[in-house]
Amino acid sequence: QVQLQQSGPGLVKPSQTLSLTCGISGDSVSSDSAGWNWIRQSPSRGLEWLGRTYYRSKWYNDYSVSVKSRITIKPDTSKNQVSLQLNSVTPEDTAVYYCARLNRGDYWFDPWGQGTLVTVSS
Amino acid sequence: QSVVTQPPSVSGAPGQSVTISCTGSGSNIGAGYDVHWYQQLPGTAPKLLIFVNSNRPSGVPDRFSGSKSGTSASLAITGLQTEDEADYYCLSYDSSLSGWVFGGGTKLTVL
Repeated sequence: QVQLQQSGPGLVKPSQTLSLTCGISGDSVSSDSAGWNWIRQSPSRGLEWLGRTYYRSKWYNDYSVSVKSRITIKPDTSKNQVSLQLNSVTPEDTAVYYCARLNRGDYWFDPWGQGTLVTVSS
Repeated sequence: QSVVTQPPSVSGAPGQSVTISCTGSGSNIGAGYDVHWYQQLPGTAPKLLIFVNSNRPSGVPDRFSGSKSGTSASLAITGLQTEDEADYYCLSYDSSLSGWVFGGGTKLTVL
């Protein structure tokens, strides 16, 4: 079965870049039947979908309008993982970040990574 | 303010039943997009409970059921057990936002 293992720093300074990775086992990041998403959760904003990357003969990305100007989600085919970069962070970006898989043609996320608490503070 | 709304909390005694509502609008649930439900225990990632309005993944007890009508959906839990105490979230797609939206979450307390 598909398993997602997240990694990355838990503390980021304001104005810097948040970077997380999501290692994939049991599937391929280049699978044409999957999409790889990032979702975050905070007390103030609840669960919030941030964006996705997926491969359908070429790579595509979709991003939430709330973070579109600051976010990059990229596949790393050599390591079978997907990364999240969020630029110019503020304390409002403090949250638990999750990666999650979306099956092609489906509209629900399963499975999810274990989550990474990222705190934005100086 | 979530695009999709849920009651902040519900409660029930062991053995009783509860229903959690999820209300959207014409750009998400009312537009025909399906609703999915997640259960989140403290300190863990959300776990898929119901997909496509009323379908249970293998391993989810049939005490959990879902339905959808118009711009709303509901999650029903019968025969409440103490281990059902958790946060529950609905999920749908929103065509105006071109992305996925979650309900604000409902905390279930089993008294």
